[in-house]
Amino acid sequence: DTQMTQSPSSLSASVGDRVTITCRTSQGIRNDLAWYQQKPGKVPKLLIYSASTLQSGVPSRFSGSGSGTDFTLSISSLQPEDVATYYCQKYNSLPWTFGQGTKVEIK
Amino acid sequence: QVHLVESGGGVVQPGRSLTLSCAVSGINFSGFGFHWVRQAPGKGPESLASISNDGKVDSYADSVKGRFTISRDNSNNTLYLQMNSLRPEDTAIYYCARPTSFQIVPFGYWGQGTLVTVSS
Repeated sequence: DTQMTQSPSSLSASVGDRVTITCRTSQGIRNDLAWYQQKPGKVPKLLIYSASTLQSGVPSRFSGSGSGTDFTLSISSLQPEDVATYYCQKYNSLPWTFGQGTKVEIK
Repeated sequence: QVHLVESGGGVVQPGRSLTLSCAVSGINFSGFGFHWVRQAPGKGPESLASISNDGKVDSYADSVKGRFTISRDNSNNTLYLQMNSLRPEDTAIYYCARPTSFQIVPFGYWGQGTLVTVSS
């Protein structure tokens, strides 16, 4: 199975900062990668699919990039409501594995 | 209104069995493959099993292969997960999930989850 390595596992940044999260896969997955946001007690919410396409209704401060094995989720200007854990997920083949998560907090 | 409602969770002893159900309404059930995903306390989601729209093809994570069986009843819009030989490490919230659309493959629909606790 393809292994997912997400980093960092946690980060703390100030409101307005640019935040970047990385996801690396052990095998190439083209651009079949999604990013989810999960807040405590809630199910994951889809933010980005096809590595860089913003899901409808998601603020434009979120963006994704990458292809093959290396992917990035960026938040251009961190807001208090962005406090959450973020997961990448590959879906090029079953099983649709998730990364270990990155917990984002406000400094 | 969209509803994915899981049921069947509870406390079970190691080695025993449990069957989860996911009743789906308000969205296309028979046209889509469905998935079971679990999340252990403080951990990330783990995609466990998937089944094709017609029920003919299924797939499992290594962690549950040979112990769990996914199935579906398209006449009743219900998804199932039969869990055998349960272990303490199977303790988690179990969710059913569906792709967002035919064009957007990642999960856009989730149930509220049902808690499974494996403990003696």
